[in-house]
Amino acid sequence: NAGVMQNPRHLVRRRGQEARLRCSPMKGHSHVYWYRQLPEEGLKFMVYLQKENIIDESGMPKERFSAEFPKEGPSILRIQQVVRGDSAAYFCASSPDRGRRNEKLFFGSGTQLSVL
Amino acid sequence: AQSVTQPDIHITVSEGASLELRCNYSYGATPYLFWYVQSPGQGLQLLLKYFSGDTLVQGIKGFEAEFKRSQSSFNLRKPSVHWSDAAEYFCAVGVTGGGNKLTFGTGTQLKVEL
Repeated sequence: NAGVMQNPRHLVRRRGQEARLRCSPMKGHSHVYWYRQLPEEGLKFMVYLQKENIIDESGMPKERFSAEFPKEGPSILRIQQVVRGDSAAYFCASSPDRGRRNEKLFFGSGTQLSVL
Repeated sequence: AQSVTQPDIHITVSEGASLELRCNYSYGATPYLFWYVQSPGQGLQLLLKYFSGDTLVQGIKGFEAEFKRSQSSFNLRKPSVHWSDAAEYFCAVGVTGGGNKLTFGTGTQLKVEL
């Protein structure tokens, strides 16, 4: 059973370009979470999605960032018009259900976004 | 809002020595507490967790952690470190009704000297 798959592992973009980060959850998992890790900081929650629905986006920047988790295919975190401050490691995690006690949360290896 | 502090950014220990990584949290009620480990190029792996009950919890790879409410701490310990334990360690807190929205500390980078 493959784990949470994120791609690409490394993504380089120039300022103003768009970045698309993909996350395929573990088989049987219908809940996806995105976290961002800025340099010298801990992981910070961005958004929680269930198939075709955004459940909690309280950690998402108000502009340029969006996320989706379609019925078919991976979850996508999209960053429009990237700026240097967007350079970070973006982690995806999945779980089979909302999980009252966070017991079944599995993380991917992350995507390192570098903005030139 | 809850917060997590890991006061040690880097720690170096000799192989075979004991280890303690510190974690302090801030939250008004009893939190859910976690320790994750991240090896280079890998995702985060759960070492152990505390929800309720016995305040000393055992995890994988010989790690344990003790929840001390009076000190708002959840320190991670291992009696004898192995070279393969070199990694970054993250403490995290979850709250009731928060689902899987965790608040992480900034991490402690562990180096093991042979």
